[in-house]
Amino acid sequence: AQKVTQAQTEISVVEKEDVTLDCVYETRDTTYYLFWYKQPPSGELVFLIRRNSFDEQNEISGRYSWNFQKSTSSFNFTITASQVVDSAVYFCAPSERGNTGKLIFGQGTTLQVKP
Amino acid sequence: GAVVSQHPSWVICKSGTSVKIECRSLDFQATTMFWYRQFPKQSLMLMATSNEGSKATYEQGVEKDKFLINHASLTLSTLTVTSAHPEDSSFYICSAGPPGWGAEQYFGPGTRLTVT
Repeated sequence: AQKVTQAQTEISVVEKEDVTLDCVYETRDTTYYLFWYKQPPSGELVFLIRRNSFDEQNEISGRYSWNFQKSTSSFNFTITASQVVDSAVYFCAPSERGNTGKLIFGQGTTLQVKP
Repeated sequence: GAVVSQHPSWVICKSGTSVKIECRSLDFQATTMFWYRQFPKQSLMLMATSNEGSKATYEQGVEKDKFLINHASLTLSTLTVTSAHPEDSSFYICSAGPPGWGAEQYFGPGTRLTVT
């Protein structure tokens, strides 16, 4: 069975600090997809990134970067120079194998960025 | 990117009544849509997979007679909460996306249901 763990329930940082959100994914599948979504206070989920298990290259998008390590089943997300607008709940979500697009959400990490 | 809408954005109903929530994909056809439920400060829990033209597939523990799902067209899925009770109060979110494993899912803005 698949299992995703976001061990950090809540993180609080001061603006301009860097912060890393952890995600560990356990599966017996050798091929899988992983997603990160952001849920701001408004409630609507915002897609951040999708990564498949064949691609272990780190990715950077502006202040966001992702580090995928298949050997440790981790897909961590780093925000550099955090801003108050980054305050949200962040979810790591693997995609269940098959042709459905079903996502299995982790518990989420609430990030609070203080001014 | 693709847009998924939900209606209503919030609803208050009395215990024992039924409430229908609509999920529409506005600029693409969705053979599959998903319905999630989210309690305050908790994660999203998948309730069911809505399949166009066929029966929905419910996750374990979700009462199919209580949460009726209809996917009558390629752009519309509805979730009806029947005989609502206060414990059904929650944030309901739908998602849709192109078919295929690993395809990005687009999420609706959610519907906040309060049962009094």
